[in-house]
Amino acid sequence: EIVMTQSPATLSVSPGERATLSCRASQSVSSNLAWYQQKPGQAPRLLIYGASTRATGIPARFSGSGSGTEFTLTISSLQSEDFAVYYCQQYNNWPTFGGGTKVEIK
Amino acid sequence: QVQLVESGGGVVQPGRSLRLSCAASGFTFSSYGMHWVRQAPGKGLEWVAVISYDGSNKYYADSVKGRFTISRDNSKNTLYLQMNSLRAEDTAVYYCAKDLGYRGRDAFDIWGQGTMVTVSS
Repeated sequence: EIVMTQSPATLSVSPGERATLSCRASQSVSSNLAWYQQKPGQAPRLLIYGASTRATGIPARFSGSGSGTEFTLTISSLQSEDFAVYYCQQYNNWPTFGGGTKVEIK
Repeated sequence: QVQLVESGGGVVQPGRSLRLSCAASGFTFSSYGMHWVRQAPGKGLEWVAVISYDGSNKYYADSVKGRFTISRDNSKNTLYLQMNSLRAEDTAVYYCAKDLGYRGRDAFDIWGQGTMVTVSS
């Protein structure tokens, strides 16, 4: 099983600031990496797939980068609706998710 | 619009069975792989099972292998999860999710709202 490790567990950011979330895989997953956003009481929403491709309807302030074992999700200027939990997921093998990063208001 | 709607959750005793359903609409259901993903209360996401577009390939997480069965009826645009020998650790919100591809080996672009399963005596 490929283990996905996200850091930090919690990120405190002020609205309008940049947020950088990290995800590390225990072995290479090539570019088979997705990012999801989940708000309380809601289902996850796909943000990024293929490590860097934005899903349909996702604002340009969300960007993904990386390949192999190291990945980053960047939110360029946090909006109020962006405060949520973010999960990375690899699908190079049977899918596994990271433990999540909670982005909270500073 | 594109939509997945789960049903069938509830409270069940340990060792008993439950079947979840996921009704799809707004897309060609028979062309895509489908998944079940669960989330225990206050915890992260755990992939449970996948089925390919035609039902010919099915794979399971080790934690449910031999107890859960994923299936689909493309004529009814519906995905199922038969859960047997339920344990307390199976307590979670269960989501169905659509794969971007037909094999079920890609990211999950559409999710249902989830159905809660509680295993308790």
